[in-house]
Amino acid sequence: AQKVTQAQTEISVVEKEDVTLDCVYETRDTTYYLFWYKQPPSGELVFLIRRNSFDEQNEISGRYSWNFQKSTSSFNFTITASQVVDSAVYFCALSEVNAGNMLTFGGGTRLMVKP
Amino acid sequence: SQTIHQWPATLVQPVGSPLSLECTVEGTSNPNLYWYRQAAGRGLQLLFYSVGIGQISSEVPQNLSASRPQDRQFILSSKKLLLSDSGFYLCAWSENSQETQYFGPGTRLLVL
Repeated sequence: AQKVTQAQTEISVVEKEDVTLDCVYETRDTTYYLFWYKQPPSGELVFLIRRNSFDEQNEISGRYSWNFQKSTSSFNFTITASQVVDSAVYFCALSEVNAGNMLTFGGGTRLMVKP
Repeated sequence: SQTIHQWPATLVQPVGSPLSLECTVEGTSNPNLYWYRQAAGRGLQLLFYSVGIGQISSEVPQNLSASRPQDRQFILSSKKLLLSDSGFYLCAWSENSQETQYFGPGTRLLVL
């Protein structure tokens, strides 16, 4: 069975602070994908990143970075120098090739960045 | 580029009334299409997905149904709404089962 856990339901930081959103997953498959999506107040889910299970290289995109560690089954997301516009709910998701690549979402982390 | 549309954006319906939510995708052919529901303060639950016209798979037994009358059109329906059907409904598309899903703007449904 698939499972994605985002233990932090809500995080509040002050602008310019760094913040890390945790994601832990469970899977028995060797081939899978991990995702992060952002849901701003408007509601639309915005795709941020996809990572396959064979690529453990960390990735950086501007102020965003992702740390994938298979040894701890984690795919954490860090925002550096947070901004008010980063305020949103962030979802981590997992899809398994053997399960038809259906997305299983974590419960989401609400990030509030205060000015 | 591809775009995905959903309407209506918001909807308030009485219990027992019918429902029809529409999702259309532009800029691609034969996409996979998905319906998700997000209850207030909770994560996303996959309701239906479709890999082609007339092909619908249901993930969760419920009061809802889905149809795909055209290649890039996906409709979510109900004959009689329940209070528990309230939520935020998101449509998504992907090139195929291997690719990333991209989401539409969503429809907020309130059943009273």
